[in-house]
Amino acid sequence: EVQLLESGGGLVQPGGSLRLSCAASGFTFSSYTMNWVRQAPGKGLEWVSRISGSGGTTYYADTVTGRITVSRDNYKTTLYLQMNNLRAEDTAVYYCAKGNREMTATTFDFWGQGTLVTVSS
Amino acid sequence: QSALTQPASVSGSPGQSITISCTGTSSDVGGYNYVSWYQQHPGKAPKLMIYDVSNRPSGVSNRFSGSKSGNTASLTISGLQAEDEADYYCSLYLSSSTLYVFGTGTKVTVL
Repeated sequence: EVQLLESGGGLVQPGGSLRLSCAASGFTFSSYTMNWVRQAPGKGLEWVSRISGSGGTTYYADTVTGRITVSRDNYKTTLYLQMNNLRAEDTAVYYCAKGNREMTATTFDFWGQGTLVTVSS
Repeated sequence: QSALTQPASVSGSPGQSITISCTGTSSDVGGYNYVSWYQQHPGKAPKLMIYDVSNRPSGVSNRFSGSKSGNTASLTISGLQAEDEADYYCSLYLSSSTLYVFGTGTKVTVL
């Protein structure tokens, strides 16, 4: 059974940093792309970032480029999201989502339960 | 890349069929066969219901079906049930700098 468990969310001041983690199990972690998708309170879904199975290729949404870094540890089967210079508009539930392929994943076939990030002074 | 357009709400009675649309342009929905649909109950994570326009993942009821015509993709729920009441989002894989774009979301109400 695929399981994705996010952690690391919390309250942070504007300009601050936070590191999210997503512990994965139930599948061959290194064989699939992994993504972060966020959802602001009461709003829709927004794709944030993707990393290839090997970790060698990363992509970011324009809204977070330069402030966010995605990485993965295939030995620990864990996905990370380092968020810097956080803004109020980054407030959201952050979901870890598994891609359906190693490189050109066309969908997110499993999702974690999400972790809430609140950016406020 | 703008969000894909979905109706804010769709409703139906138990047993009826409803269809949710997801409209884009010839540069996105019309040009790619990588439309997915997700169901999200309040306070829960999204769940994949349809991928690559019309494919159903294992375990998803065959009451859910997807299609695409031109610049509009559609999700049809047949034999509507109370448990189908949720928010539904379409998404598209673009294979461009913005890899994935979501729809605006549709709240489905079972009357």
